[in-house]
Amino acid sequence: QSVLTQPPSVSAAPGQKVTISCSGSSSNIGSNYVSWYQHLPGTAPKLLIYENNKRPSGIPDRFSGSKSGTSATLGITGLQTGDEADYYCGTWDSSLSTGVFGGGTKLTVL
Amino acid sequence: EVQLLESGGGLVQPGGSLRLSCVASEFTFSSYAMTWVRQAPGKGLEWVSSIRDIGGSTYYADSVKGRFTISRDNSKNTLYLQMNSLRAEDTAVYYCAKDSSRSGWYRGFDYWGQGTLVTVSS
Repeated sequence: QSVLTQPPSVSAAPGQKVTISCSGSSSNIGSNYVSWYQHLPGTAPKLLIYENNKRPSGIPDRFSGSKSGTSATLGITGLQTGDEADYYCGTWDSSLSTGVFGGGTKLTVL
Repeated sequence: EVQLLESGGGLVQPGGSLRLSCVASEFTFSSYAMTWVRQAPGKGLEWVSSIRDIGGSTYYADSVKGRFTISRDNSKNTLYLQMNSLRAEDTAVYYCAKDSSRSGWYRGFDYWGQGTLVTVSS
């Protein structure tokens, strides 16, 4: 059971928009930065969003991040078949003094 | 370009030991916190351990505390994970990852190694 809660799966059609939620608590999301990762089987995870809402260079602005209270959201617009992957949120938990990830969300582009 | 190259994975019997290495290049290794993350077969990402840049404070997941030791040699630009008393549930691909913020903490991991497979089985 993950400390951060994500929906197991989401789906949408090509060109549409999808959001993936990440719910935590005051000791993790509520007081630390949230990051988001895209993970394709057999490859290294890729950073999409850091410090809640910043995009690394090379990440298109179709990807966005936001945080409010103890929840965070990843948004993806203009969905492409290449976006099919597992997505994870992550942060630090100040009470546990550990890193934490969500359980992951599988995105299907129908 | 920043690179993280892991090595040391393999097949080990339960109760055995392995040491993973992660050699970093093209960034000031000593200025960044580093982390190990693993993914067991069919499972999600699991944070394993992190080490700060300065002072080298270390942190561990409860599942590995007392068995795994993270360390770094800044003179060799290398991160290590010493894994002792290995169990079947430690079977996973292990990734090393670099924090995105110089002298920051847990801002996001902007570079990852390719992963090294650890299999614990008799």
